[in-house]
Amino acid sequence: SQTIHQWPATLVQPVGSPLSLECTVEGTSNPNLYWYRQAAGRGLQLLFYSVGIGQISSEVPQNLSASRPQDRQFILSSKKLLLSDSGFYLCASGGGRTDTQYFGPGTRLTVL
Amino acid sequence: AQKVTQAQTEISVVEKEDVTLDCVYETRDTTYYLFWYKQPPSGELVFLIRRNSFDEQNEISGRYSWNFQKSTSSFNFTITASQVVDSAVYFCALTAGQGSGAGSYQLTFGKGTKLSVIP
Repeated sequence: SQTIHQWPATLVQPVGSPLSLECTVEGTSNPNLYWYRQAAGRGLQLLFYSVGIGQISSEVPQNLSASRPQDRQFILSSKKLLLSDSGFYLCASGGGRTDTQYFGPGTRLTVL
Repeated sequence: AQKVTQAQTEISVVEKEDVTLDCVYETRDTTYYLFWYKQPPSGELVFLIRRNSFDEQNEISGRYSWNFQKSTSSFNFTITASQVVDSAVYFCALTAGQGSGAGSYQLTFGKGTKLSVIP
């Protein structure tokens, strides 16, 4: 079975600072990878997904970007954080449309 | 476009009571997959079950059971003899599409139902 790691677990950053969240996957190869955001008291919103190295699709125009430098590594970044970027960020891994997505432990980001 | 509705925002039950969490979905695709996830206070989403649109057989796993009815576009989740450890937010989700193009990989989530089991 696959294991998904995310770090850091929690992060407090000032407005305007950069961001880098990392997700790595073990126990599978060539997964589809996903970044979701869960704002306080709200559901999950898909931000980005990737079907392979260097292939990124964005679902929502925003202040964030994603990259996939290696098969099992997915990075979420920002050059300048906004207050509205606060939330709980979840990385997920799945094998395709018919496959289940498994989630990492998440990163709780607070932008002050 | 797909949509998942979980009309119950919060539910409270006393331990050992049965509880049903409702999920209604919308999709134009004939092939789709439905999921339930559990999010305990720690935050990580835990996969519970996946059903495909061609299999309406209900499923039971221990105290958990799922009732899938295409006629009413519902995929309800019942916990029998609830326990305090069942307290969490539960999400119903849907993925659909023909597999071509990025959109078909999306999981569309409901807004979740917060279940509190009182000892």
